[in-house]
Amino acid sequence: GAVVSQHPSWVICKSGTSVKIECRSLDFQATTMFWYRQFPKQSLMLMATSNEGSKATYEQGVEKDKFLINHASLTLSTLTVTSAHPEDSSFYICSALLAGTYNEQFFGPGTRLTVL
Amino acid sequence: QQQVKQSPQSLIVQKGGISIINCAYENTAFDYFPWYQQFPGKGPALLIAIRPDVSEKKEGRFTISFNKSAKQFSLHIMDSQPGDSATYFCAASRGRGSTLGRLYFGRGTQLTVWP
Repeated sequence: GAVVSQHPSWVICKSGTSVKIECRSLDFQATTMFWYRQFPKQSLMLMATSNEGSKATYEQGVEKDKFLINHASLTLSTLTVTSAHPEDSSFYICSALLAGTYNEQFFGPGTRLTVL
Repeated sequence: QQQVKQSPQSLIVQKGGISIINCAYENTAFDYFPWYQQFPGKGPALLIAIRPDVSEKKEGRFTISFNKSAKQFSLHIMDSQPGDSATYFCAASRGRGSTLGRLYFGRGTQLTVWP
């Protein structure tokens, strides 16, 4: 099956710093990637849709200046949480779309962000 | 509003029993219905998926039943095992238009299988 990786798997940072999370599709090219946020015992909340070579599309209520997304290649998308605050602590998950007949979406293992 | 409704929120099943999770949707433009399995601290993993041109799909112990007229689909886990204990999410998406591939998730079902 298609494999998506994320790095780092967990990160702890001080309030006010920026954190970058990488999402890679390892064995397929993905023109579209998605970024989600998940709180404990809740469903996945879509933050933004990332398309290679173009600006990301953010969901309503998601601050685009705070959550910077860059999809510079067909296998890499990055999410940068700028000036992180404790309320940004969460589990961030990316997914990559395997375009084709079924447009299957494959998820990364997630990144646990803790802001002190 | 919640585009995909999932029930039950939690489910406890004895080992060897059948686990059944139900989902319902409103948007008839949806044409892809996957189920994801998620273990604590991990990303969701695609378990099985169905398209509306078939009413049932089986892969091993996992079966999706799909009722297009009722706009409902369900996941059946046969011979449930303790290793199946996880959170299961149903989802739906459409294959055309500007929202290509965007998944709409249910709220999830926490399955516990007792040995």
